Amino acid sequence: GAGVSQSPRYKVAKRGQDVALRCDPISGHVSLFWYQQALGQGPEFLTYFQNEAQLDKSGLPSDRFFAERPEGSVSTLKIQRTQQEDSAVYLCASSPLGVAGDTGELFFGEGSRLTVL
Amino acid sequence: GNSVTQMEGPVTLSEEAFLTINCTYTATGYPSLFWYVQYPGEGLQLLLKATKADDKGSNKGFEATYRKETTSFHLEKGSVQVSDSAVYFCALSDYGDTGRRALTFGSGTRLQVQP
Repeated sequence: GAGVSQSPRYKVAKRGQDVALRCDPISGHVSLFWYQQALGQGPEFLTYFQNEAQLDKSGLPSDRFFAERPEGSVSTLKIQRTQQEDSAVYLCASSPLGVAGDTGELFFGEGSRLTVL
Repeated sequence: GNSVTQMEGPVTLSEEAFLTINCTYTATGYPSLFWYVQYPGEGLQLLLKATKADDKGSNKGFEATYRKETTSFHLEKGSVQVSDSAVYFCALSDYGDTGRRALTFGSGTRLQVQP
């Protein structure tokens, strides 16, 4: 597609439920990032894929968070046993190049807003 | 590690006023610097960027100069419009401690322009 697409745009979950958030990056983009943005804050890095390889998951806040990109295109961020502190906007971003040779510019989706009750 | 500090908002200005949003950074390497903008109900969009010291990024009347000596990348616009009302994020891209290049963001500054 023309841009990064995320779904659902809004998700309300009861505490303890599992959720799955989908990201469809710009076609052909090698790199894919997930960020978490709490209300009134800047985005915080969660995890990074280069094609299907998850090269960095150092930002995932707990083992309840899991991300995958099995075919190197669409990615899913899964949160198990959601807690209230997981409420945030989850942003997906992609870029056309790998680590070497790019300026670091990322193209962002509109985000998935998760509210945990 | 890498970090970005930007002035807290909200910043409230009248139309045609001069805008400055301060941004300073800490980085272990030689980062690229960015300003992203988030309009109400929309995703983050790149506003401008600079990839090396003394570079000036510009777009839509906004400018920012990469100052290595002061580790700053302040955003300026000579005459703001109501349509500039948004949240502005300063960010840097560097390899950091993990060897992985990613963006590190500031906390954002909300700009409100009144007619």
